[in-house]
Amino acid sequence: DSGVTQTPKHLITATGQRVTLRCSPRSGDLSVYWYQQSLDQGLQFLIQYYNGEERAKGNILERFSAQQFPDLHSELNLSSLELGDSALYFCASSVAYRFETQYFGPGTRLLVL
Amino acid sequence: AQTVTQSQPEMSVQEAETVTLSCTYDTSESNYYLFWYKQPPSRQMILVIRQEAYKQQNATENRFSVNFQKAAKSFSLKISDSQLGDTAMYFCACETSGSRLTFGEGTQLTVNP
Repeated sequence: DSGVTQTPKHLITATGQRVTLRCSPRSGDLSVYWYQQSLDQGLQFLIQYYNGEERAKGNILERFSAQQFPDLHSELNLSSLELGDSALYFCASSVAYRFETQYFGPGTRLLVL
Repeated sequence: AQTVTQSQPEMSVQEAETVTLSCTYDTSESNYYLFWYKQPPSRQMILVIRQEAYKQQNATENRFSVNFQKAAKSFSLKISDSQLGDTAMYFCACETSGSRLTFGEGTQLTVNP
């Protein structure tokens, strides 16, 4: 158990819908990262927050957004969902904003029908 | 931008034997960290080992060790005394000053009894 929690574990929804994925980092970690794992694109970095502020942005679609709250938990919002958004979404956390080991949560499996 | 390449999509090894997984990377930065993560059938991402580029000594963690060849930009993982529980997808990853992890395509390792 990495200490990073993600909810829900599974999510099934329809095209065009909006979902919210939630992540609680390890105790003491200030950085939260979101990654997407899909069959065709592998593991890709989406976005990073550090102590409530956006720190780095990767291949995140405009339909996706995220935020980190004062209690340091983070939410990833996916809207206007398409079939291709079906993937495993991981949250990871680390103590600092770079050059620290990132510990991954169990992931949220999203299936868009 | 950095790239990470794992040229072995699949490998197999007999229980108790030793296996080496290959990884090459490319980055223009002088300071970076390298990681191996494993992803068992549960899909959880688990840290195996970490290597800081500024350290000359190869990292070891129990049965897991790396061969870090900085000039060749090579970072291989050696698993000694392989166990059935080592069966997993193994990902090599690189982190530079941008803080995101860049992952390779993965190597599926099967340990046979």
